[in-house]
Amino acid sequence: KAGVTQTPRYLIKTRGQQVTLSCSPISGHRSVSWYQQTPGQGLQFLFEYFSETQRNKGNFPGRFSGRQFSNSRSEMNVSTLELGDSALYLCASSLEGTRNTEAFFGQGTRLTVV
Amino acid sequence: QKEVEQNSGPLSVPEGAIASLNCTYSDRGSQSFFWYRQYSGKSPELIMFIYSNGDKEDGRFTAQLNKASQYVSLLIRDSQPSDSATYLCAVRAGNQFYFGTGTSLTVIP
Repeated sequence: KAGVTQTPRYLIKTRGQQVTLSCSPISGHRSVSWYQQTPGQGLQFLFEYFSETQRNKGNFPGRFSGRQFSNSRSEMNVSTLELGDSALYLCASSLEGTRNTEAFFGQGTRLTVV
Repeated sequence: QKEVEQNSGPLSVPEGAIASLNCTYSDRGSQSFFWYRQYSGKSPELIMFIYSNGDKEDGRFTAQLNKASQYVSLLIRDSQPSDSATYLCAVRAGNQFYFGTGTSLTVIP
């Protein structure tokens, strides 16, 4: 069974550019969440999608957006990149309806803004 | 706002000792609780989950849950240098996961 796949693994972008990250969840998982992780800040929740709808949203500016497709794959977009956006971006997928089902993480995308 | 709090550490223990990691959460409606381990530069991986009050053991790891005190802990017995990592506590309330900032553990050979 394939795990959560994130692409690309590494990205280097310039301030002001925009970037799109992709996440393919585990087959059958319809919930996809995105997190930003920086040293000392832990996992900061960005948003969660379920069945193509954004169900929950964290406290990030509107430059951060996402979407989910009918096959549950999700993309995250960051526009007008800032140096502070440099981080590890993690995607996690999970099943609905069972309390003991964990979130499965992808390997992450390491974004560096220069 | 739902919160999950952990001591950031760093926590250092000698090899063979017991490491104790603690976590508190604010939402009494939380249903299940998870401990993840994250090595530097890697993604978090699940160690254990627990949803009933009491202890749950898996090898060298024991998770403890006290819903009345809104407290969950992870004990690592016979700590090994390979256990050196950041440990994340996560709480599931409804369909949402809430993560703590993690506790950095170093096991000294």
